Parts: sequence; C-alpha cells; structure tokens
Amino acid sequence: AQTVTQSQPEMSVQEAETVTLSCTYDTSESNYYLFWYKQPPSRQMILVIRQEAYKQQNATENRFSVNFQKAAKSFSLKISDSQLGDTAMYFCAFMKQWGNNDMRFGAGTRLTVKP
Amino acid sequence: NAGVMQNPRHLVRRRGQEARLRCSPMKGHSHVYWYRQLPEEGLKFMVYLQKENIIDESGMPKERFSAEFPKEGPSILRIQQVVRGDSAAYFCASSPSWESGTEAFFGQGTRLTVV
Repeated sequence: AQTVTQSQPEMSVQEAETVTLSCTYDTSESNYYLFWYKQPPSRQMILVIRQEAYKQQNATENRFSVNFQKAAKSFSLKISDSQLGDTAMYFCAFMKQWGNNDMRFGAGTRLTVKP
Repeated sequence: NAGVMQNPRHLVRRRGQEARLRCSPMKGHSHVYWYRQLPEEGLKFMVYLQKENIIDESGMPKERFSAEFPKEGPSILRIQQVVRGDSAAYFCASSPSWESGTEAFFGQGTRLTVV
C-alpha cells in the first residue's frame, strides 16, 4: 500500500519570501505520479503542480516548483515570492501509474502567509 | 464548461437519517471518484465509478454506505442511518478517461454534519 507523509502540520512565511513544504511517500512502484493540491478556505481542491516519476526534471509552474528525489521518495514544494493568496492547506498526493487513477493524500500542511 | 458540481454544499442530518450527496461530473467525464475528508485530515479515497459500474470500492465502509453512477444523471453517494462519525466533507472528482495519470478535477465538496 502507498502512504504519503507530510510532517509539517503548520507553517508560516512572510509575504514575498520563500517557503518549502515537505512530503515523503512509500511505494514499491517504479512509475507513478505525484501532485500538490491547494485547498483554500473555500474548500475547493486546486491542482498546483504535478510530477511524473519517470521524468528526472523537476516540475515548475510559475512561483511553484518541486524538488523530486526519487531514491529518497521525497517530493517537496517550494513557493517563491509568497503571496497572501497562497494561504491555504496544501496536500501532497500519490497516484499509481497502472491503477484506477485514485489518489492517496497526505494529512496536509496549513500554510499561512503573513503580511 | 462547468466544473464538477456537488450539491448540496452543506447538509445537516439527525442521527439515524439518510444522507444523499450528489455529484455531476464535468461534461465529457465518465469517471467519478468519491473522497472523504475528516477535520484536519487529508482526503481518503472511498470509491471509483464509471457509468453504471463500480470499479473500486475498497475505501467504502462495508455497511450503510453505497454509491452509484447511473447512465443518466449525477453520481449519488448514499449514507444510511447516519452517525456522528459520518460528519465530514465529501468530495467528488471526475476525469475524462482511465488513461494512467489522468488528472481528476474536484468539486467543492459537501459538508455533512450529523447532529
């Protein structure tokens, strides 16, 4: 079974600074997908970034980038130039390559961006 | 193209009543996933359905919970004889196909409160 661990229940960062959220996972699969989702107070789940395990290059989306370390089973999210609108819960998720496309989520990290 | 629509957004039920949660997937999506989110936790997979078929219900409690996705109309998650422990946010996600790694799009969730 796959498990996803987010060891930081809460984090805070000053506006315009950079913050890194941690995620580790456990799997015996060799190919899979990893995701970071953002859940603001509206509760809407918003996809932030996605990484295919077979790609060595780290994914980036504007101010968001990941540090994917496959051997260490680590998938951290870096948010640069933090904005007040980044305040939200952030969930790391794992999906098997050959499966039903259902995701396994971590428990989340609550990020607060302070003005 | 409307997103995934869930209704109601909020549902209050007394212990022992039935709860029906509805999910209309995005247009063109024939795959639906239901997740449950307990307070301060990540989303937990419950069930995966395609039109008229349950593909994977490994995350569904064995009793009182059922799901369907009929040929016409929304997907329904039904909880019979609700108990306080059923209080949670229930999210539906849909995807267009079974191809591995296909991104799922989430609705805004239904928050069920059992009193």
